[in-house]
Amino acid sequence: DQQVKQNSPSLSVQEGRISILNCDYTNSMFDYFLWYKKYPAEGPTFLISISSIKDKNEDGRFTVFLNKSAKHLSLHIVPSQPGDSAVYFCAASAGRSSGNTGKLIFGQGTTLQVKP
Amino acid sequence: DTGVSQNPRHKITKRGQNVTFRCDPISEHNRLYWYRQTLGQGPEFLTYFQNEAQLEKSRLLSDRFSAERPKGSFSTLEIQRTEQGDSAMYLCASSPLRGNSYEQYFGPGTRLTVT
Repeated sequence: DQQVKQNSPSLSVQEGRISILNCDYTNSMFDYFLWYKKYPAEGPTFLISISSIKDKNEDGRFTVFLNKSAKHLSLHIVPSQPGDSAVYFCAASAGRSSGNTGKLIFGQGTTLQVKP
Repeated sequence: DTGVSQNPRHKITKRGQNVTFRCDPISEHNRLYWYRQTLGQGPEFLTYFQNEAQLEKSRLLSDRFSAERPKGSFSTLEIQRTEQGDSAMYLCASSPLRGNSYEQYFGPGTRLTVT
């Protein structure tokens, strides 16, 4: 049972344009969502997060949008740069309340290629 | 702050052998997680430590797997009688106990190949 899904295995965009990566989830208990970036031979690097009480969080070129009713979130990168080329993982957590350990449930990842 | 470190970075072993991996979390982080990642998939949760206590284990963690975190510092993950299906990247992550954030900081991983 895949609780977090990234249905696009890959995405290719031109440098300077917007990259939009999508993620869907099924578990209503998730209350915190994160995006990680991963380069080959490295561990995932935290990028940006959003709590379920918000619908948008922005950090520089990166913005995450959350639509709780649709159980959908997206990551926007504007403008995209060649150095953004990596695998992007969406992750969700049920939080640390009620004994939850804060473990992360990851999607399958989307490989972003930004062409110069 | 040197980040999360993992050793070894690569391990090749023959089926049936035992292997042990080590994770050194960020020094002030009380929470430590182990994940496993296979090709084309995202990381999957294996187990969680809060200080020295192992508080959650995934069903993915069969009886051949054992993890420890003595004194709440570094952690080890041991796989006994390895099988080819154990070939994967094993990732360790840590996070602070306090605060409202849920971000976890990952190490570079240990890539295990079972031949």
